[in-house]
Order: sequence, then C-alpha cells, then structure tokens
Amino acid sequence: KAGVTQTPRYLIKTRGQQVTLSCSPISGHRSVSWYQQTPGQGLQFLFEYFSETQRNKGNFPGRFSGRQFSNSRSEMNVSTLELGDSALYLCASSLAGSRAYEQYFGPGTRLTVT
Amino acid sequence: KQEVTQIPAALSVPEGENLVLNCSFTDSAIYNLQWFRQDPGKGLTSLLLIQSSQREQTSGRLNASLDKSSGRSTLYIAASQPGDSATYLCAVHLMNRDDKIIFGKGTRLHILP
Repeated sequence: KAGVTQTPRYLIKTRGQQVTLSCSPISGHRSVSWYQQTPGQGLQFLFEYFSETQRNKGNFPGRFSGRQFSNSRSEMNVSTLELGDSALYLCASSLAGSRAYEQYFGPGTRLTVT
Repeated sequence: KQEVTQIPAALSVPEGENLVLNCSFTDSAIYNLQWFRQDPGKGLTSLLLIQSSQREQTSGRLNASLDKSSGRSTLYIAASQPGDSATYLCAVHLMNRDDKIIFGKGTRLHILP
C-alpha cells in the first residue's frame, strides 16, 4: 500500500506570494492533518480534516487554510507569505481521525520564503 | 496550557545497551499518546500509539508505557543498534475543547558502534 505523498517536495517563494501544498493520504484513510516544523518551535499542529470537514485547528493566523476533497486528498494554502513561514510542512493521514488511530506522515514539503 | 517535555534533549549510548526515553505532559485529559522517530530531513515514522485506556504497547524491541495520573510516558528500546539513531518525538492528543495534538521537542539519540 502506498504511503502518504506530498507535492511539491521543495518550494521557494517570495514574501507576499501565496502557496498551495498538496497531500494524498494512504488509500482508505479519511483523515488528514497538517503540521509545521521549524527549528525554533518544533512541530506545531495546523488543522485536521475528516470527510471534507475541518475537525479542529491549531493556533495559526487565518492566512493558513486548508481543504479536503471527496477522495480524501487535502490541500493547504498559505496567503501573503512571511519570512517566518519558512518551514517543513508535514501532512499525516489516519484511518478515521487522530483521536483513535495512528497517524502516518508524508515526507514533507520544504518551503523557503525569501 | 498543555506542555509536552522530553528529557534529555540528546543522548549517546554504546551499541547493545537498553535505554529509556522520557516524555512528560501537564494535562492528563488526553485521547492518546504516540511515539515517532524522525531521521534527518525526513518525515515522521510512527512507532507506537497508546490509547488513554491502555498502559503500554510493544512492537519488537520497543515498549512504550503510559501513566496518565503522573503525566508520563516512557519509550524503552532494548538492545540498541546504530540504526536506532534518530530523533524520537512523543505527541499527545488533547481531549479538551482544543482537541489538538501537541508534540514534544524530541530526544536526539545517537547509538555508538
């Protein structure tokens, strides 16, 4: 069974631009979560989607948004990029939500904002 | 505010030794606790998931325990190998209205051949 895939793997953007990252979960998984990882803050939870609905969200500004499609694939969008948004963005999928099921992570998208 | 702490931040041990990694959390109202490993520049690999009603989980040379009342979890690695070198992270899923996952900063483990 294929693992979680994320595209693109690397991305360079300039301040003020917007970016969209994509995540394809493991086949059969209905939940996708997004995380931001930086050297200073570590791993921080962004939001979780289940059956196309945002289930919960972390403490990030409204510039960070996401959505999930009927095939469980998910996208995350960051608008008006800031230098501090440079990070590794990880997505994870689980069978039916992270409250009860293991999360499986993708390799991440490395975003650099210049 | 829930905090997840992992001590030590880094650890070096000779190959073959048994070792314990620690994770502590301040709020016992959790759905579960999960241990991961992360290799440099890579994503996370799930190791063990312990539900709040469970006390421990085992997989091969790994054993994780959970004591909600004291806010602690340990990851025991038996007969360590150089391939175990990685950063180990624990994460708790909060049960309160926040309903989110909090990660520790990790323990960077180096197994000396």
